[in-house]
This record gives sequence, C-alpha cells and structure tokens, in this order.
Amino acid sequence: DAKTTQPPSMDCAEGRAANLPCNHSTISGNEYVYWYRQIHSQGPQYIIHGLKNNETNEMASLIITEDRKSSTLILPHATLRDTAVYYCIGRGSGNTGKLIFGQGTTLQVKP
Amino acid sequence: GAVVSQHPSWVICKSGTSVKIECRSLDFQATTMFWYRQFPKQSLMLMATSNEGSKATYEQGVEKDKFLINHASLTLSTLTVTSAHPEDSSFYICSVRGRTGELFFGEGSRLTVL
Repeated sequence: DAKTTQPPSMDCAEGRAANLPCNHSTISGNEYVYWYRQIHSQGPQYIIHGLKNNETNEMASLIITEDRKSSTLILPHATLRDTAVYYCIGRGSGNTGKLIFGQGTTLQVKP
Repeated sequence: GAVVSQHPSWVICKSGTSVKIECRSLDFQATTMFWYRQFPKQSLMLMATSNEGSKATYEQGVEKDKFLINHASLTLSTLTVTSAHPEDSSFYICSVRGRTGELFFGEGSRLTVL
C-alpha cells in the first residue's frame, strides 16, 4: 500500500472551503485513495475514495492529479463539526481490505 | 444509521482480569473484520484481521495469546484482552468492509485498566 504524506495540522474559517492535501507519490496503478476522518473519541468515518477520476459526494470532493501522485480533499463549506483528524490512505483493490493509517491532518475549523 | 456496533463503549477493569469487546456488523454479513488500537494523541494501529470460521491474522508485534479474537458468525467478532494490565488501556476500534470496498468503523471501546 502506498505511503501517504499529509500536513500535521490546518486551520479553516467556518463557512469557507477546506482543502486538505495528500501526497502519495508511490501509489501504484490499482491503488485507490481513501479519505477518512476521526472526530475526537469516535471511530473513523468514511468520507470518499477514488482511483483516478475526481469524485464528489454529499460530504466532500476528491481531486486527484493526473499523475496520481497527490490528491486534495475539499470540504466546500466547513462547519465547526468538521473539526477532526483527516486521514488519506492508499489501498489496493486486491488486498484483504485492511487500511493502514498514517498520522493524518488535524483540521481545526474556527468561527 | 450505524453499520457497525461495538459493545461496551467503555469499560473499567482491575489489573489481571480479562475483558471482552464485541463488534457486530448490522447491515451485512462480514467474513472479515479488523481490530485497531489507538493510544492518546496517536493514530490507529491495526492489530489483527478477524476471519469468519478461521484463525485471526495478527500484525507483527501483537500477541495473539494476549488479544484473543473470535469470529464465530458472519455478524459478530469479539476481542478479548486477557490478563489486562494498565498498559493495555486504550481505545479499541473494529471495522467491517462494505460491499463496495470501503471500511466502516465502530464507535470504539475505551478500556481503562486500573
């Protein structure tokens, strides 16, 4: 599974878009990029995943660069409840399904 | 609604006792479940992969005799921390792989060993 690199922390103003970057320069062709978040003292919550096309759902958008070496998770209108640790994870489609978590980015949404 | 349910959500026990944590898949049958552990201010660490009807696969450095995993049915996996000690105090989280590949996580079980 690809090693990912994320900034340890970021701030975002409430109501503004939060753009969380992730580098995954060693990702292989069949590895998906998954994003999860963990609000304090809760289990991680699935946000979105993608392979090479940009993806959007009700929670967020995922922009993957053409060379697939990096991606950005976009929360279009951040709220205080979006304050959490965000994890970017590379995972192959053919493995057992386990996810290996890195240190993630702590996003602080401020009023 | 919740896809994965864990019980108990928190437990306090005395040193030397054993504690069982349950993980239930509510929406679908799960042949594979995963157990994670998280210490304060740290990321999640994968402990083991629980396989229905067979032995669990443990990650390197995780003692299989210390952390007993049983996956007796397609909707239930249990983690038993045997002879718990204060250093076993942690947040234990299970997860289940959904039909389209994403993992769903339980709400976690916080264990405090006195």
